[in-house]
Amino acid sequence: DAGVIQSPRHEVTEMGQEVTLRCKPISGHNSLFWYRQTMMRGLELLIYFNNNVPIDDSGMPEDRFSAKMPNASFSTLKIQPSEPRDSAVYFCASSPGGTVAEQYFGPGTRLTVT
Amino acid sequence: AQRVTQPEKLLSVFKGAPVELKCNYSYSGSPELFWYVQYSRQRLQLLLRHISRESIKGFTADLNKGETSFHLKKPFAQEEDSAMYYCALYGQNFVFGPGTRLSVLP
Repeated sequence: DAGVIQSPRHEVTEMGQEVTLRCKPISGHNSLFWYRQTMMRGLELLIYFNNNVPIDDSGMPEDRFSAKMPNASFSTLKIQPSEPRDSAVYFCASSPGGTVAEQYFGPGTRLTVT
Repeated sequence: AQRVTQPEKLLSVFKGAPVELKCNYSYSGSPELFWYVQYSRQRLQLLLRHISRESIKGFTADLNKGETSFHLKKPFAQEEDSAMYYCALYGQNFVFGPGTRLSVLP
């Protein structure tokens, strides 16, 4: 298994543009998490899904951020419109047994908004 | 409210010396505690969790509910232990600490 797959690995975009980050969890895992990592705020949980259903999105910073999980093998995190302060590394993680089970992290997407 | 603190941003020790990475938490209920590690150019990965009470790569961590701490310890540090270490808590949701960068010097 290739583990959690994220694309793109790097994204550079201009302020105001729409950004879509993608994640493919490990097959068979039923929980998926999106995190944002910055120097100032560290690693923050944005949202997590259980069986494709969003369970807790209290970490989503504002309405410009949205996440979907249309099926068990794919999730997206969208930022529209993007702003320079959204620049960060975005991680996706999946877990076989919910939040208390081990989370397997993807390599991350480094987003730069100019 | 849930909170995880790791007071040291950077910890440097010499090879063979004991190391302790501090983690304190605040949560009114009974939390699940974890340590995650990120080695250079590798993915963030689980190191250990308190419910397992196991030793991984020589590291141990004991949950002290009285002191609300979950410090990570290793008696003899190795250079390959150099990495970023995150303490994490699951209570109402999942919260990571700010991380401590461990540097083991030769």
